[in-house]
Formats: sequence, C-alpha cells, structure tokens
Amino acid sequence: ETVMTQSPATLSVSPGERATLSCRASQSVGSNLAWYQQKPGQAPRLLISGASTRATGIPARFSGSGSGTEFTLTISSLQSEDFAVYYCQQYNNWPLGTFGQGTKVEIK
Amino acid sequence: EVQLVQSGAEVKKPGESLKISCKGSGYSFTTYWIGWVRQMPGKGLEWMGIIYPGDSDTRYSPSFQGQVSISADRSISTAYLQWSSLKASDTAMYYCARHRESKVTLDAFDIWGQGTMVTVSS
Repeated sequence: ETVMTQSPATLSVSPGERATLSCRASQSVGSNLAWYQQKPGQAPRLLISGASTRATGIPARFSGSGSGTEFTLTISSLQSEDFAVYYCQQYNNWPLGTFGQGTKVEIK
Repeated sequence: EVQLVQSGAEVKKPGESLKISCKGSGYSFTTYWIGWVRQMPGKGLEWMGIIYPGDSDTRYSPSFQGQVSISADRSISTAYLQWSSLKASDTAMYYCARHRESKVTLDAFDIWGQGTMVTVSS
C-alpha cells in the first residue's frame, strides 16, 4: 500500500501570504496525484488532478507541482475563503486511492 | 447539473444492518466509477472502495474488505454502501464520489455527494 504523508499538519498563514503544502508518497505514483480542499461541514472539493491540472472553476492562485514521490500545493496569495483542510490523494496504485492525513491552513 | 445526492443521516444500534445510497444525475451513470470515502469524526479521509455501475466491477480497500458491501442499481442510477452488522466504530460521515473521466480507472474524484452521517450507538 502506498502511504501518503503530508506536512506540516497545521500551517498558520496571514491573508495575502503564500502557502506551501507538501505531500510525499512512499513509492512513486507518477503524476497520479490529486489535491482536495475541505471546509467544515462540507464535502471535499477537487482542486488539482494529474499533480498540476486545476479542476474546473479553481482559481489560478492554486497551483500543483511535482511527480514521483514529492508533490507541492501552492496557494499564491491566501484569501479568507482558502482557510480549510487540504488533502492529497494518490490514485496510481489501482484500485486503492489513498489519502494523506491532511494539512490544516489556519489564519495567523 | 451533474450531482450525487446521498440518503439522509442514520442512527443505528450495534449489530443492526444498514444500506445508504448515492443517486447520480446529469451524466451517464453507468460509465463513471463511483467510490466511497469514510471520514470519522475529526479525522481525515479514507478510501473504502469503488464500483463501476456499467458492469458492477467492485474493488475494496483491504481495510474495508469484508466489513462493507458496495453495489449499484443501474436502473435508478444509484450506488449503495451496506453493512450487515454495525459497530460503534462505524460512526462516521460517508461520502460517495465520482471519477473525473468516463471509464477511466486511474482518476481523481471530481463530484462528491453531500455525505451521509452514520451514528452507531447503544
């Protein structure tokens, strides 16, 4: 089983600042990596698939990079609505699509 | 509009059975994989299993194999997650979610249901 490890667990950022979230896979997942955003009381929302392709309607301030085992989600200038929990998910190891444990982005 | 609508919250006792549902609309239900994801209170997301409604091909995470059953009824565009004997540790929010592209196996989930809260307590 591919284990996904996200860091940090919590990231404190001021509005307008840049946030960088990391996700590491225990074995290569190629570019089969997605990022999701989840706000309290809501279902997760797809932000990025294929490691770097933004989903429909996702603002350009969200960007994804990486391949193999190291991945990054960058939010270029945090808006108030971006404070949430972010999960990475690998879907290379079919059929098991394991999630990371999440990174909470909170207001500094 | 493409959407997945899940059945309502459930409160059950240990040992009881339960089947929750996820109805797809606005797209070809039989040609997209639909997965189930568990979120225990205050915890992260766990991939449980997935079904292709077109032929009912179903796969499970080893962690959930034998603990739950996933099925689908193509005639009413609905997927199901079922337990035969609930435990208190099954208390969680359960989400269904659809793969982004038709027929593709290696894919992310782009459409999510609103979630079904299952509470198991004596």
